Amino acid sequence: EDQVTQSPEALRLQEGESSSLNCSYTVSGLRGLFWYRQDPGKGPEFLFTLYSAGEEKEKERLKATLTKKESFLHITAPKPEDSATYLCAAVNSGNTPLVFGKGTRLSVIA
Amino acid sequence: NAGVTQTPKFQVLKTGQSMTLQCAQDMNHEYMSWYRQDPGMGLRLIHYSVGAGITDQGEVPNGYNVSRSTTEDFPLRLLSAAPSQTSVYFCATKPGEVYNEQFFGPGTRLTVL
Repeated sequence: EDQVTQSPEALRLQEGESSSLNCSYTVSGLRGLFWYRQDPGKGPEFLFTLYSAGEEKEKERLKATLTKKESFLHITAPKPEDSATYLCAAVNSGNTPLVFGKGTRLSVIA
Repeated sequence: NAGVTQTPKFQVLKTGQSMTLQCAQDMNHEYMSWYRQDPGMGLRLIHYSVGAGITDQGEVPNGYNVSRSTTEDFPLRLLSAAPSQTSVYFCATKPGEVYNEQFFGPGTRLTVL
């Protein structure tokens, strides 16, 4: 059974304190690994897609990386506006729907 | 270009009542899906559709019905609401290819008393 596990469940950072969020997956024939940001009371907002091990993508203070077993979302010098829940999802080669992790709730304190 | 729209934004039902959650998209995406999101459970797939006239069950389909008569609309029906269906419901769409990113609607917050 395909699974996506995110850690930690919650993370509290001081403004400027860099850190990483982890997404480990057991998906047969990974076709895509997705990162989303979700603000309270809103729908998830797409951030990145990673397709193969070794791939990296960046957007402002965020950088997503992918290995054969896990993905990391690195947050460099975070600001309070980066506070949100970050969701990871994966899709396999069997044309089945995305499998989501439970998310990491990030709080950045000024 | 509105993207993905959901109505209503909030709804309160009594146990046993029925209702339909609406989802519409103007991106001409083939794939549409419904998720529910509960604290500590993450996003769980209810039903999905890979095109007009085609639907399939997700992880938690019991108590919900769907149909897909047009590309644009994918309504979710609760036949007889139960308190366990209290949740936030999200509709999502994506182009047909399985590895494309999904776009989510703003959600419907449903409370069943």
